[in-house]
Amino acid sequence: KQEVTQIPAALSVPEGENLVLNCSFTDSAIYNLQWFRQDPGKGLTSLLLIQSSQREQTSGRLNASLDKSSGRSTLYIAASQPGDSATYLCAVEFTSGTYKYIFGTGTRLKVLA
Amino acid sequence: DADVTQTPRNRITKTGKRIMLECSQTKGHDRMYWYRQDPGLGLRLIYYSFDVKDINKGEISDGYSVSRQAQAKFSLSLESAIPNQTALYFCATATGTEQYFGPGTRLTVT
Repeated sequence: KQEVTQIPAALSVPEGENLVLNCSFTDSAIYNLQWFRQDPGKGLTSLLLIQSSQREQTSGRLNASLDKSSGRSTLYIAASQPGDSATYLCAVEFTSGTYKYIFGTGTRLKVLA
Repeated sequence: DADVTQTPRNRITKTGKRIMLECSQTKGHDRMYWYRQDPGLGLRLIYYSFDVKDINKGEISDGYSVSRQAQAKFSLSLESAIPNQTALYFCATATGTEQYFGPGTRLTVT
């Protein structure tokens, strides 16, 4: 069964710290991986999309990397701010399930002022 | 205006009632999805559609049905609601590889 795992489930850091969120997947045959942000009770906002042929994507203070062979992606957040507090979700489109996305359970991040 | 809209945003209903959740999009995407989100379980796929004539079951379709009325509209129905269908429901669209989500519908079944 294809699965996506995010560890830790929750993380609390002081403002200004650089941090890494992890996403693991069980099958290296993927089309792409997408990182989302979700604020409490709200919808999902797309942060970064990495195609299977790419190693990383950057947007502002965010950098996402992809290592298919090890089944891992990391989301790096530089100089964290209280406004970064949210749940971060990754979603994987496996090649065996075209156009279907498997989600991790998310990492709930709290940045303390 | 939002690209993906969902109505209603909140709904409380009783066990056994039929309820419909609606999703509309202005992005012109062919692919549309319904997910439910439960605490600690992430998002799980209920149904997805590649076009008006192509409807597919996701991993948790039992107890749900869908209708793709047009390219822009995809509705989710609970024929006879039960309390364990209490959840946050999301509609999403996709083109190429990227997904776009609606704001969600919070459904409570009492």
